[in-house]
Amino acid sequence: QLQLQESGPGLVRPSETLSLTCTVSGGSVNNMNYYWGWIRQSPGRGLEWIGSIYYNGITYYNPSLKSRVSISVDTSKNQFSLKVNSVTAADTAVYFCARHDGSSYLRPFEYWGQGTLVIASS
Amino acid sequence: DIQMTQSPSSLSASVGDTVTITCRASQNIDTYLNWYQQRPGKAPRLLIYVATNLQNGVPSRFSGRGSGTDFTLTISGLQPEDFASYYCQQSYSSFLTFGGGTKMEIK
Repeated sequence: QLQLQESGPGLVRPSETLSLTCTVSGGSVNNMNYYWGWIRQSPGRGLEWIGSIYYNGITYYNPSLKSRVSISVDTSKNQFSLKVNSVTAADTAVYFCARHDGSSYLRPFEYWGQGTLVIASS
Repeated sequence: DIQMTQSPSSLSASVGDTVTITCRASQNIDTYLNWYQQRPGKAPRLLIYVATNLQNGVPSRFSGRGSGTDFTLTISGLQPEDFASYYCQQSYSSFLTFGGGTKMEIK
């Protein structure tokens, strides 16, 4: 059974960088059959797609976040990661990692991590 | 970006009822529309993909219809575990977007 688990600091100071990792078990990120993605959820913005990555590092990002976001994959650790630069209070949200159900990032999100709350505050 | 508008934003229903949730896209998205269920404190769960296809393991009381800009999710014979929030998501454009959600509560 595929499982995804987010990890990282729960508190980030404004203007600093938010860094999260998604560890995959029961499957491999080094798989040409799937894209992997990050989604966040906050009361004010609802569910918001952040971006998605393929096993070979190809990425697609939400245009409204693209200038501050970076997603990478580490096949040796079976992980993929998210960085959001210059965070503000508006980046406070529950962050989910997920797997698309196919080799296109336009496929739906089939498997999700449990989510991790990140608060941007001094 | 394609805006997804759900209605109603909340609704009250009873066990055994049949309910329909609507999702409208700001432009044509063909049938590239997915539905998710989210229970409190949990991650979303994929229910329906490409407008009408039931995800493996999802009960047949869930059904989806629509194409173009107008879509519906119908739950026939509500069960206690169905009281949750529901979200639509378009996967037509390269900028994936979600609807604002419909929260279903027990009457």
